[in-house]
Amino acid sequence: EPEVTQTPSHQVTQMGQEVILRCVPISNHLYFYWYRQILGQKVEFLVSFYNNEISEKSEIFDDQFSVERPDGSNFTLKIRSTKLEDSAMYFCASSEAGLARNEQFFGPGTRLTVL
Amino acid sequence: AQSVSQHNHHVILSEAASLELGCNYSYGGTVNLFWYVQYPGQHLQLLLKYFSGDPLVKGIKGFEAEFIKSKFSFNLRKPSVQWSDTAEYFCAVKGGNQGGKLIFGQGTELSVKP
Repeated sequence: EPEVTQTPSHQVTQMGQEVILRCVPISNHLYFYWYRQILGQKVEFLVSFYNNEISEKSEIFDDQFSVERPDGSNFTLKIRSTKLEDSAMYFCASSEAGLARNEQFFGPGTRLTVL
Repeated sequence: AQSVSQHNHHVILSEAASLELGCNYSYGGTVNLFWYVQYPGQHLQLLLKYFSGDPLVKGIKGFEAEFIKSKFSFNLRKPSVQWSDTAEYFCAVKGGNQGGKLIFGQGTELSVKP
């Protein structure tokens, strides 16, 4: 069964450094998403992406964040200058286009630790 | 503002006990409702979803949920839990548009004692 994959599984970085989290969505999916979950808190929406542009973003997704689909398979989340509060589990998801009811399939997550 | 509330933070049951996890949402408009499960060390997986029609939906592994529009609720149920149901359960709501974001509840951790 096709699945969403994410790399790395765990990323440790120093405050102020840039990190890139990578995702490979399911191949025939057209909508892509990033969510994050700070330890002990809710899973929160960050951004959705369709047709090579951001379709929606949350207030969390400020100027330090960016997303890109650099080729036909990868979908990346870049955090330009990490802060301690960016430490969280970051989940990528994808869904087919066409119907509002289409399920979002989630990847296993990348645990980001900012020191 | 859109929100989802799960009433129970941690539920502990013995095997064969019945399960009901509460979920209430606040959303103005057509909603699509989901329950996701996250087994230890694994990613979020869809248990079931509701879009329209019969408000009682059946999912995988014997789970079901009932959409009660008047109560803005979408409670998850299972008549007899197993040890393998130990996991975290998330209720989520999505607006009726393509590619819309999921809004999650805070999750309920279920521990089933053998």
